[in-house]
Amino acid sequence: KQEVTQIPAALSVPEGENLVLNCSFTDSAIYNLQWFRQDPGKGLTSLLLIQSSQREQTSGRLNASLDKSSGRSTLYIAASQPGDSATYLCAVLNFGETSGSRLTFGEGTQLTVNP
Amino acid sequence: SAVISQKPSRDICQRGTSLTIQCQVDSQVTMMFWYRQQPGQSLTLIATANQGSEATYESGFVIDKFPISRPNLTFSTLTVSNMSPEDSSIYLCSVLRGGYTFGSGTRLTVV
Repeated sequence: KQEVTQIPAALSVPEGENLVLNCSFTDSAIYNLQWFRQDPGKGLTSLLLIQSSQREQTSGRLNASLDKSSGRSTLYIAASQPGDSATYLCAVLNFGETSGSRLTFGEGTQLTVNP
Repeated sequence: SAVISQKPSRDICQRGTSLTIQCQVDSQVTMMFWYRQQPGQSLTLIATANQGSEATYESGFVIDKFPISRPNLTFSTLTVSNMSPEDSSIYLCSVLRGGYTFGSGTRLTVV
């Protein structure tokens, strides 16, 4: 059974700081990995999608890396802004012969960027 | 990626009543997924909805409590039946197209 762990659970930083969020997973046979952002009481916004054959993806100030063999991914946020304050969720996709597609979420990292 | 319209965005309901949540996708998809996110927790899959067949429910979720309809390839509904305060959660629908896309969520409070 896939398990996804995110560290830290919460993070508070001053505006402008660069930061790294960590995600680890136990079953390395993933199809892809996605990072999401969730604002309080809202749905999920996809930030970056990394296929299992890729090492990293970049979008603006965000960079996500994937080390499939070690079961790890990081989300790097450069020059953080108060608007980045949200919960960041990591999710991995596995395909099973009987279970079909299975998306497993981590518990999330709650980020607060202070002005 | 797909675009999903989910409604209502939030509701406050009396215990014992039912609420139906709707999701409309801008393109045809084979499977739609329904998730629950209880306060302070991550997402838990309720069921997978396929067009033309019964939904497949995860362990701990039953059709009588969470009936799902999937009348066509762009639309699905989830009903939360006979609600209790423990059903207070955010409910989200999702589709898989490349990566996963989620609806904007329905924040349900049962009083």
